[in-house]
Amino acid sequence: GAVVSQHPSRVICKSGTSVKIECRSLDFQATTMFWYRQFPKQSLMLMATSNEGSKATYEQGVEKDKFLINHASLTLSTLTVTSAHPEDSSFYICSAPSPGQGAPEQYFGPGTRLTVT
Amino acid sequence: AQSVTQPDIHITVSEGASLELRCNYSYGATPYLFWYVQSPGQGLQLLLKYFSGDTLVQGIKGFEAEFKRSQSSFNLRKPSVHWSDAAEYFCAVGARNNDMRFGAGTRLTVKP
Repeated sequence: GAVVSQHPSRVICKSGTSVKIECRSLDFQATTMFWYRQFPKQSLMLMATSNEGSKATYEQGVEKDKFLINHASLTLSTLTVTSAHPEDSSFYICSAPSPGQGAPEQYFGPGTRLTVT
Repeated sequence: AQSVTQPDIHITVSEGASLELRCNYSYGATPYLFWYVQSPGQGLQLLLKYFSGDTLVQGIKGFEAEFKRSQSSFNLRKPSVHWSDAAEYFCAVGARNNDMRFGAGTRLTVKP
């Protein structure tokens, strides 16, 4: 099956700094990618939809100036957490839809654990 | 928009016992249904999916799920649970536009 990678898998940063998380589709192209956030012992919440060649679409309540998304190519989307604070500490997961015209399915990355100190 | 309810936050079963995890969905069109498993600190692993056809779906690790349109349910089952099945289980419903929504999750504990 298709593979989605994320880098880094874990990152620790100081409060006030910015951190970038990469999401790559390794063997297929993705014009759309999705970014989710998961707090401990909670479910995945969709943050935004990353669109290649256009602006990302953010879910209600997600600050677009804080969570910058750039879909740089057909295989790469990045999420930058700007001016990070401890409350931004979370598990961030990206996904990409399966290619082709079949039923919708997403392939998930392994996730990135962000800890803001 | 679609939504998913997993009524059980936490379930404990003995090793070797049968398991059923409940999932109810709400969606106006044909649902695309998924079950994922997540071990602590790990990403999601797809157990099985339902798009159309046979309503009883077989997945990996001995899991199966049955789609019941009349009950808007997609419950996950396993006849005999192994200690390694202890994890968090998420039911999800997808739409044609790739919008996917997850349930709150059910944490499974397996007693020796």
